[in-house]
Amino acid sequence: EVQLVQSGAEVKQPGATVKISCKVSGYTFTDYYMHWVQQAPGKGLEWMGLVDPEDGEIVYAEKFQGRVTITADTSTDTAYMELGSLRSEDTAVYYCAALGIAATGDAFDIWGQGTMVTVSS
Amino acid sequence: EIVLTQSPATLSLSPGERATLSCRASQSVNNYLAWYQQKPGQAPRLLIYDASNRATGIAARFSGSGSGTDFTLTISSLEPEDFAVYYCQQRSNWPPGTFGGGTKVEIK
Repeated sequence: EVQLVQSGAEVKQPGATVKISCKVSGYTFTDYYMHWVQQAPGKGLEWMGLVDPEDGEIVYAEKFQGRVTITADTSTDTAYMELGSLRSEDTAVYYCAALGIAATGDAFDIWGQGTMVTVSS
Repeated sequence: EIVLTQSPATLSLSPGERATLSCRASQSVNNYLAWYQQKPGQAPRLLIYDASNRATGIAARFSGSGSGTDFTLTISSLEPEDFAVYYCQQRSNWPPGTFGGGTKVEIK
């Protein structure tokens, strides 16, 4: 079964750093970009960035540049998203998502279950 | 970065009615646009990719059209399970991945 399994919920203080993992199974990790998406309570989807697990190339959204680090570990088929200098506005569900087009021409679109991060003093 | 603007923000319709959702890009994304449906407490679900291709398992009442900067998602006859929030996402210009602000389809 193709799936992405994310690490559990986190509670952090303002100014801290959170690191979320996304373990892949059921497909070849290096075949598709891994994206990270933020969704604050009651708000829309905010794209944070992506990593190409094949070559390690990373792109960040301007909004998160300087605060986010996305990595991919091909030895464990796991992607990570680290967000620093946390503030209350970062309270959100964070999703990893493997997105792309398969060799068949069909969309490949697999999302993790989401990780809730609460920033509170 | 490309900005995607969705309209309307909210669409109030009755089951059986036709829903037309719009997504406009600040610059051309060719046909590299996707549509997602999201229900409360769930991850987004892909409906349409490359502007007009239905994803696997998606009902035929969902259709997408458009190219360049203007795109439309049409739900031909709303079913009760279609009331949700819909997002467009561009996968063209680098960086790919930007989402629109969403359209909520609610029961009238």
